[in-house]
Amino acid sequence: EAQVTQNPRYLITVTGKKLTVTCSQNMNHEYMSWYRQDPGLGLRQIYYSMNVEVTDKGDVPEGYKVSRKEKRNFPLILESPSPNQTSLYFCASSAGTGGQPQHFGDGTRLSIL
Amino acid sequence: GQQVMQIPQYQHVQEGEDFTTYCNSSTTLSNIQWYKQRPGGHPVFLIQLVKSGEVKKQKRLTFQFGEAKKNSSLHITATQTTDVGTYFCAETWGYQKVTFGTGTKLQVIP
Repeated sequence: EAQVTQNPRYLITVTGKKLTVTCSQNMNHEYMSWYRQDPGLGLRQIYYSMNVEVTDKGDVPEGYKVSRKEKRNFPLILESPSPNQTSLYFCASSAGTGGQPQHFGDGTRLSIL
Repeated sequence: GQQVMQIPQYQHVQEGEDFTTYCNSSTTLSNIQWYKQRPGGHPVFLIQLVKSGEVKKQKRLTFQFGEAKKNSSLHITATQTTDVGTYFCAETWGYQKVTFGTGTKLQVIP
């Protein structure tokens, strides 16, 4: 079954404690992206990747890092999480370099205390 | 970055009534995608519009792209409770970055 898998689904942690949210897709998609969703703001793009070792900033990259060492995986790293990063996070992938329909994971709800 | 304004933010309708959500941009949109997010779920792709004036239909859903490619709309005819959710438009520009509208949350009253 074609899917995008995120882990964990829920996480409560404290300020400053490094965390990684994993994202994996089994569709051999080139394009992957991370979004955060906050009430009233819709989805905002954090980082995207057009292929292995090719990543770039979206609209809200501050406080986040990503890597794309393998085509299927695109982890989101919060080196020193802060409360303003409390949000619902989605990973998505699409075929080609972008502009194609995106397939979303089920989301990760992060609470930073 | 690009800005895509979406209205209304919320809409409550009686089951059977029609519903429309609009996306507007101050700049020309290269394309527009529409997604639906059920409560507690993730966004699911509905359709993509690319051409000026394009109209596409999916059963009770009608999607339009403005002639000037600065606006788009999603119209649902005779809403059902299964239509409940938040509808987002999104633009992919430069085949790289994606800008989502703020979404319209639809509530259908049985």
